Amino acid sequence: DGGITQSPKYLFRKEGQNVTLSCEQNLNHDAMYWYRQDPGQGLRLIYYSQIVNDFQKGDIAEGYSVSREKKESFPLTVTSAQKNPTAFYLCASSISSRRFFGNQPQHFGDGTRLSIL
Amino acid sequence: AQSVTQLDSHVSVSEGTPVLLRCNYSSSYSPSLFWYVQHPNKGLQLLLKYTSAATLVKGINGFEAEFKKSETSFHLTKPSAHMSDAAEYFCVVSAYAGNNRKLIWGLGTSLAVNP
Repeated sequence: DGGITQSPKYLFRKEGQNVTLSCEQNLNHDAMYWYRQDPGQGLRLIYYSQIVNDFQKGDIAEGYSVSREKKESFPLTVTSAQKNPTAFYLCASSISSRRFFGNQPQHFGDGTRLSIL
Repeated sequence: AQSVTQLDSHVSVSEGTPVLLRCNYSSSYSPSLFWYVQHPNKGLQLLLKYTSAATLVKGINGFEAEFKKSETSFHLTKPSAHMSDAAEYFCVVSAYAGNNRKLIWGLGTSLAVNP
């Protein structure tokens, strides 16, 4: 079955440590996204990528970094500069060509819950 | 400025009774609108999508939503709630931000279904 796989499901970060969240999709989608979800809040966009080797900052990119070396993969690194990393992180993808970017339904993984030790 | 407001943060219904989750939006252009559902500790699943075709949109699991331009609303309904409908529901508007479209997420409505 096609879908989005996020790993690990739970992750713990120590002070001063960078951690990387994995996101892999086999839907052959061009666009991929990373969101952060905090209790009582909607989803906030961290980074998005419309095509391989290209990505753009979202609304809350500070303290995060991404890469898009392959169409299937869009890993997110939470750096030590992110002072409040505890949250539920969701990866998504959509078919989107550049012309229709932002107007297509998004398919989501099951998320990674990051906590601070 | 584009925005989306989910009018209730929590809704509680009894099993077998109707569900109404309210969403108002603000958009300068003809928007696309979505409803997503999220079960605990899971990702989001698309329930339905409006993109300027029929104003009454049918989705999965018996849900539907009606686009009312005059009221700038896109309320989600279901005739009869099931226990498995208990989840968080998000209303989303796709609107232009500069040259690109951007998804604007509501804060969510938590639906509880009582036996």
